[in-house]
Amino acid sequence: DIQMTQSPSSLSASVGDRVTITCRASQSISSYLNWYQQKAGKAPKLLIYAASSLQSGVPSRFSGSGSGTDFTLTISSLQPEDFATYYCQESYSNSAIFGQGTRLEIK
Amino acid sequence: EVQLVQSGAEVKKPGQSLKISCKGSGYKFTSYWIGWVRQMPGKGLEWMGIIYPSDSDSRYSPSFQGQVTISADKSITTAYLQWSSLRASDTAMYYCARLTPWGGYSRTKGYFDYWGQGTLVTVSS
Repeated sequence: DIQMTQSPSSLSASVGDRVTITCRASQSISSYLNWYQQKAGKAPKLLIYAASSLQSGVPSRFSGSGSGTDFTLTISSLQPEDFATYYCQESYSNSAIFGQGTRLEIK
Repeated sequence: EVQLVQSGAEVKKPGQSLKISCKGSGYKFTSYWIGWVRQMPGKGLEWMGIIYPSDSDSRYSPSFQGQVTISADKSITTAYLQWSSLRASDTAMYYCARLTPWGGYSRTKGYFDYWGQGTLVTVSS
């Protein structure tokens, strides 16, 4: 089974900071990697699909990169509404495993 | 506008059965897989399984195979998640989501682009 490991598990940052979250797959998943944002009490929201494609309507400060086993989500300049939990998800296997999540908090 | 509207919160006792629903609108329901995702209290997201409403082809995560049943009624554009005998450990928020395929070589590999609002299931004696 594919394992997805996100780092860090939690992160404190300030408005305006550049933030990077990493997701590592236990085996190559090509570009089958998605990123979601989840705010407290809300359903997840798709940010990035296919490792680097920005979902329609998502601000351009969000970007994704990587292929194979190592992937990153970057927020170029944090805004107050970006404080949330972020999940990666592989869509290579038949079970589409999610990472454990990265909680982004206000410093 | 694409919408997935889930049924309301449920409170059940261990051993009871339950079926929750997810009604799709604003798109061709039979052309997209629908998936179910579990989120236990304070925990992360878990992919449970998917169904193709056109022919009810379904796939399950090994962790959920045999524990739940995913079904769909294309005539009313609704997908379902059901349990025959609930356990306290089934207490969680359950989300449905539309799967848009990507990559070209498999119609089941893609991303969840639209999500329901979630159904909270509480199982307690």
